[in-house]
Amino acid sequence: DVKVTQSSRYLVKRTGEKVFLECVQDMDHENMFWYRQDPGLGLRLIYFSYDVKMKEKGDIPEGYSVSREKKERFSLILESASTNQTSMYLCASSPGRGNTEAFFGQGTRLTVV
Amino acid sequence: DAKTTQPNSMESNEEEPVHLPCNHSTISGTDYIHWYRQLPSQGPEYVIHGLTSNVNNRMASLAIAEDRKSSTLILHRATLRDAAVYYCTPPGSNYQLIWGAGTKLIIKP
Repeated sequence: DVKVTQSSRYLVKRTGEKVFLECVQDMDHENMFWYRQDPGLGLRLIYFSYDVKMKEKGDIPEGYSVSREKKERFSLILESASTNQTSMYLCASSPGRGNTEAFFGQGTRLTVV
Repeated sequence: DAKTTQPNSMESNEEEPVHLPCNHSTISGTDYIHWYRQLPSQGPEYVIHGLTSNVNNRMASLAIAEDRKSSTLILHRATLRDAAVYYCTPPGSNYQLIWGAGTKLIIKP
């Protein structure tokens, strides 16, 4: 069974903390994505990567950075967490380019207090 | 990037067919239409995708209009486990998917 695994289902962090969200896929996919999902706003793309050590900004990259040192792992970093980054974070991967199926992790619900 | 329009919510009775519409009039000629669904407290899961002709798989059928400006996801016999938010998602310019608000499907027993 193909899998995208996010390191935590729930996280609570304090304002100003550095936060790491980890995502691992076991399908040898080229593309990996980080989204956040907020009520009424749908899924919004934060960053994506189509190869190791490559990264591209999505629609809302401010306050975030990413790292992709290995093909299977894509990390989202909140350099200094703020309360407006409280959200559901979803990682996804897809093979190749263009019209392909994406696989999602279960999501990490992050609360910043 | 293409934009989509879906109804906010739909209701259906259990074991009846459900037709979920999506308007995607700005989609390009080579873009597939993908459908995903999101069950409560889970990440989205792939349902089906297609380009021009109708598509079937074990989960659903996808009917695509001849002019490709709209499509309809068909659940042939809805169960309570099909209650979810359904998204039609054209691809964006950078291999990501474009997500709208989706349709919340409510199944009545």
